[in-house]
Amino acid sequence: GQNIDQPTEMTATEGAIVQINCTYQTSGFNGLFWYQQHAGEAPTFLSYNVLDGLEEKGRFSSFLSRSKGYSYLLLKELQMKDSASYLCASRSSGGGATNKLIFGTGTLLAVQP
Amino acid sequence: DGGITQSPKYLFRKEGQNVTLSCEQNLNHDAMYWYRQDPGQGLRLIYYSQIVNDFQKGDIAEGYSVSREKKESFPLTVTSAQKNPTAFYLCASSMTPSGANVLTFGAGSRLTVL
Repeated sequence: GQNIDQPTEMTATEGAIVQINCTYQTSGFNGLFWYQQHAGEAPTFLSYNVLDGLEEKGRFSSFLSRSKGYSYLLLKELQMKDSASYLCASRSSGGGATNKLIFGTGTLLAVQP
Repeated sequence: DGGITQSPKYLFRKEGQNVTLSCEQNLNHDAMYWYRQDPGQGLRLIYYSQIVNDFQKGDIAEGYSVSREKKESFPLTVTSAQKNPTAFYLCASSMTPSGANVLTFGAGSRLTVL
């Protein structure tokens, strides 16, 4: 089956570090994406992991453990503008050449002063 | 600047009416997608197209139709057969259908049925 779980909401303080977890059950798993979406706007790409380990990109890092079906997005030095919804999405390679993603419900992060 | 343009941004429809949402991209991407976003749910795939004049149903295609007559354009029609059309609709594209291609999204169209 195909399933993704992530927390619905999180709150953190400006300047702090926050970790947003995502667990997935995806047949034919072929990669894990994180997108950021501000309210009423388009999701924008943050990171992609296909191999186990940590990918670092500035203040944002993403980790993947394929054996555990687990990923997290780590945001450092939080800024107020980081308040947004963070979407976890897994990619399945089953059945044809399509970039078909299964999205989680998103984690709404509120950064407080 | 390259990107995806969706229009209109807000749309109101009476029950029983068909409406068409526009999606245009100037990224020269082969693949295009339509997603629906509802509160408390993840993005759900409605239709996708890997190449001009070809498209496939996604997970929730009932009550929707699409066309792909040009590489740049992938309009979505929400028909009267769609029982719960009020939602935020997102169009996306990727360079090719396969591989680790990142989706580029449009700003979305919010449809409300009165």
